[in-house]
Amino acid sequence: EPEVTQTPSHQVTQMGQEVILRCVPISNHLYFYWYRQILGQKVEFLVSFYNNEISEKSEIFDDQFSVERPDGSNFTLKIRSTKLEDSAMYFCASTLGRFPYEQYFGPGTRLTVT
Amino acid sequence: AQTVTQSQPEMSVQEAETVTLSCTYDTSESDYYLFWYKQPPSRQMILVIRQEAYKQQNATENRFSVNFQKAAKSFSLKISDSQLGDAAMYFCAYLGNRDDKIIFGKGTRLHILP
Repeated sequence: EPEVTQTPSHQVTQMGQEVILRCVPISNHLYFYWYRQILGQKVEFLVSFYNNEISEKSEIFDDQFSVERPDGSNFTLKIRSTKLEDSAMYFCASTLGRFPYEQYFGPGTRLTVT
Repeated sequence: AQTVTQSQPEMSVQEAETVTLSCTYDTSESDYYLFWYKQPPSRQMILVIRQEAYKQQNATENRFSVNFQKAAKSFSLKISDSQLGDAAMYFCAYLGNRDDKIIFGKGTRLHILP
């Protein structure tokens, strides 16, 4: 069964450093998402991406964040200058279409900022 | 704005017994999906069950079933014959037909007592 994959599974970085989290969505999917879960809290939407542009973003997704689909298979989330509060689990998701299609979640990347 | 509320931060159940996790939501939309996700210690998000709002019949997946009360905006998850592997965080979630993003509740941590 096709699945969404994410790399790395765990990333440790120093405050102020740039990080890139990578996702490979399911191959025929067209809509892509990033969600974040700070430890002990609920999962929160960050951004959705379709047709090579952001379709919606939350207030969390400020200028420090960017997304890209550089090569038609990867979908990346970049955090330009990490802060301690960026430490979280980051989930990528993809779907074939908008509602009512199901979003498939990747296994997540745990980001630790020290 | 749509909201999802899980009022039980933690619950415990004896192995082989039945447990019900509660969820309420608020929306003005008539067409939407509701989900229950399981998050084990690995922190991966696993879809347990989903319910389409326009379907009167409650969804069932093996030992997992829901009680969907649309008028009351209530969506509870019943786990029958609880197993040790059911121990996890459970998130109730909502996806509306005008939105891209899934909205999650704060979660209920389920403990299974041997």
